[in-house]
Amino acid sequence: QITLKESGPTLVKPTQTLTLTCTFSGFSLSTSGVGVGWIRQPPGKALEWLALIYWDDDKRYSPSLKSRLTITKDTSKNQVVLTMTNMDPVDTATYYCAHESRNSPFDYWGQGTLVTVSS
Amino acid sequence: EIVMTQSPATLSVSPGDTATLSCRASQSVNSKLAWYQQKPGQAPRLLIYDASTRATGVPARFSGSGSGTEFTLTINSLQSEDFAVYCCQQYSIRPTFGGGTKVEIK
Repeated sequence: QITLKESGPTLVKPTQTLTLTCTFSGFSLSTSGVGVGWIRQPPGKALEWLALIYWDDDKRYSPSLKSRLTITKDTSKNQVVLTMTNMDPVDTATYYCAHESRNSPFDYWGQGTLVTVSS
Repeated sequence: EIVMTQSPATLSVSPGDTATLSCRASQSVNSKLAWYQQKPGQAPRLLIYDASTRATGVPARFSGSGSGTEFTLTINSLQSEDFAVYCCQQYSIRPTFGGGTKVEIK
């Protein structure tokens, strides 16, 4: 059974750096083809893909946010970490992590974590 | 970036009727197209992948079709639990999502 869960701060101040952790079970990020992605959704708005990391440490980023994002993995801990710098109120959103296999959709999702950016 | 456009934004349908949702890609994604269902306060749920393959456990009343740039999700005999937001996503090149279609009770 594949499960994922996001954790991190619920409130960050403008200009701060956000660090989110996705802890998963039921699969390994050392298995060929496996990936974990981050997707966010501002309140009442559409989903937006942010970043992906694969078993071979291949990393992909949204072009519009690439300069602000870093994705890393800790295979031994079954965790993926996303950092986003220079947070702004427009970054207020529910942040999801999800399981993916290369060139496949996001088939398993975490419950999401709401991050509010406010001073 | 491949832009995904969904129509209509809102669809009012009576229970038992059929809902037809559209998704258009700004360039060909072949069949690398997924549909998700999302209910308030919940994460998206994968319904359809590869444009027409139902995910595990998805009822047969959900069907997907299309290829290239034009895709359709059809929900036959709408049940009460089907009223939700539906979103398409391409995974051909760097994932992008559509804006969603809300299926509401007429």
